Amino acid sequence: AQSVTQLDSHVSVSEGTPVLLRCNYSSSYSPSLFWYVQHPNKGLQLLLKYTSAATLVKGINGFEAEFKKSETSFHLTKPSAHMSDAAEYFCVVSDVDSSYKLIFGSGTRLLVRP
Amino acid sequence: GAVVSQHPSWVICKSGTSVKIECRSLDFQATTMFWYRQFPKQSLMLMATSNEGSKATYEQGVEKDKFLINHASLTLSTLTVTSAHPEDSSFYICSAAQHGNINEQYFGPGTRLTVT
Repeated sequence: AQSVTQLDSHVSVSEGTPVLLRCNYSSSYSPSLFWYVQHPNKGLQLLLKYTSAATLVKGINGFEAEFKKSETSFHLTKPSAHMSDAAEYFCVVSDVDSSYKLIFGSGTRLLVRP
Repeated sequence: GAVVSQHPSWVICKSGTSVKIECRSLDFQATTMFWYRQFPKQSLMLMATSNEGSKATYEQGVEKDKFLINHASLTLSTLTVTSAHPEDSSFYICSAAQHGNINEQYFGPGTRLTVT
């Protein structure tokens, strides 16, 4: 069965420093992987997605993620955090085993200190 | 493009009453719509999947008689919470996908339901 583990429930960084949000997945088949961002009391916005093309995926707002099959990881990074990046981030997996439904991780809250 | 709206954005209702939440795809045809529930500081849990013109498919543990889903057109799905109780208070989020691209879901802004 598919599953997603977000290793940190909270990450705190200073503005201008790099961001790393960790995600490991479990999937029996070639998965599709996504990162979504949710600002308080808002819906979800897609940051980026991996669907078996290039393993380094670039998304919006300067975010990128690298698919590493050997490590079953899909960590999200950004070189320099901005105050507006403070939000909840969800790593999501989908594959044929889940009938392509989205399976959400538990979320990581990113705090950005001035 | 690919905008999904929800109405209302928040609603307060009394125990025992029913409340309807609308989900609309504004600029595309959504053959499949999904309804999620999110408890405070928790992740999204899929409640049900609806295809236009068909009955919704509910996830295990979700009461279909309590959470009525209708997907009558390619741009509108509704979730009705019947005989609401305080434990139904939650953030309800819908998403929509186009035909043949179920992986790519566009999310609405969510509806916060409070049952008093």
